[in-house]
Amino acid sequence: AQSVTQPDIHITVSEGASLELRCNYSYGATPYLFWYVQSPGQGLQLLLKYFSGDTLVQGIKGFEAEFKRSQSSFNLRKPSVHWSDAAEYFCAVGESDNAGNMLTFGGGTRLMVKP
Amino acid sequence: DAGVTQSPTHLIKTRGQQVTLRCSPKSGHDTVSWYQQALGQGPQFIFQYYEEEERQRGNFPDRFSGHQFPNYSSELNVNALLLGDSALYLCASSIKNQPQHFGDGTRLSIL
Repeated sequence: AQSVTQPDIHITVSEGASLELRCNYSYGATPYLFWYVQSPGQGLQLLLKYFSGDTLVQGIKGFEAEFKRSQSSFNLRKPSVHWSDAAEYFCAVGESDNAGNMLTFGGGTRLMVKP
Repeated sequence: DAGVTQSPTHLIKTRGQQVTLRCSPKSGHDTVSWYQQALGQGPQFIFQYYEEEERQRGNFPDRFSGHQFPNYSSELNVNALLLGDSALYLCASSIKNQPQHFGDGTRLSIL
């Protein structure tokens, strides 16, 4: 069975500092990997996705993520955090033959941004 | 272009009651998935509908059932509500090989 672990429940960074959110997955085949962001009281917005090809993927809002098969990781990064980035971030893995199929989510990382 | 819309936004029920939540997918999408997100946790997959049939199901009891209509909209029904059913219920729509788009959810509170 597939699973996703986000080791950091909470992270606080200063505005303008760099950010890295960790994600480790367990999946037998080639995974489809996603990062979503959720603001309070709202649904999930897709930041970026990895299906195949270049292991460094660019997303919206200046985010990027790197797929490392050897480490079973898909960490999310941003070089300079803005106050509006404060939210909950979820990493997810999907089945490889159809990206629209069921997603397995991690427990999330809550990002707080200090002025 | 409207995204995924869910109704109602909030709902309060008591134990033992039944509830129906509704979802209209993003234009052009034909697949609808439902997720339950308990407070402080990540979403958990309930089931997915395609061509008006349940195609995949997560680890949820039969009290959770659904339906998809010919216009691709969907309903989630929960019978015999328990306190533990209190959660944000998220609907996501997609089309083959494209990522899922989520609605803002229905917040269900059980008293």
